[in-house]
Amino acid sequence: DQQVKQNSPSLSVQEGRISILNCDYTNSMFDYFLWYKKYPAEGPTFLISISSIKDKNEDGRFTVFLNKSAKHLSLHIVPSQPGDSAVYFCAASAGYALNFGKGTSLLVTP
Amino acid sequence: GAGVSQSPSNKVTEKGKDVELRCDPISGHTALYWYRQRLGQGLEFLIYFQGNSAPDKSGLPSDRFSAERTGESVSTLTIQRTQQEDSAVYLCASSPRGLKETQYFGPGTRLLVL
Repeated sequence: DQQVKQNSPSLSVQEGRISILNCDYTNSMFDYFLWYKKYPAEGPTFLISISSIKDKNEDGRFTVFLNKSAKHLSLHIVPSQPGDSAVYFCAASAGYALNFGKGTSLLVTP
Repeated sequence: GAGVSQSPSNKVTEKGKDVELRCDPISGHTALYWYRQRLGQGLEFLIYFQGNSAPDKSGLPSDRFSAERTGESVSTLTIQRTQQEDSAVYLCASSPRGLKETQYFGPGTRLLVL
């Protein structure tokens, strides 16, 4: 059973605009959440994380929002750049193992 | 410093053969993880090593899968009598201590079982 869901397999955004990637989870024990970015033929690269004691964490162009009551998190990228084109994975943890969504492929067009 | 490295980067094998995949974690990281990603899927947790503690093998899909780690260094994942459904990218990650931390991933080993 998929405990972390990314319901949009793909997203296309124009350069300079905001990209919003969404993620839902079902396990209320998850208390640590991460976003990873993955290019073809490479391993996932850590982007940003958030603990359940917070509802927002920001790092440069990347902001993660956590809504615990809705069991929902999102990643905002502002402004989007062509180099952001990649697959983005949401992950959640209640301990040490990470539970991943299936990913959203982001394409940022010039 | 150097990141997580994995070898081989690609492996093609015949059904029924055994394969061994290797992971070198980031130096000083006590926690090491194996995941796999099958086509179109997210990453699935396989096994977790923390220092000299007994590993958590709860994610291993069958008894054909096993893994070892020597102290806090290299780990090998062995798949015996490979099946076509074992075809996947096998990813290794490490983190400094283990609990609620960022995990740093290697580039993966792409395994194809014919």
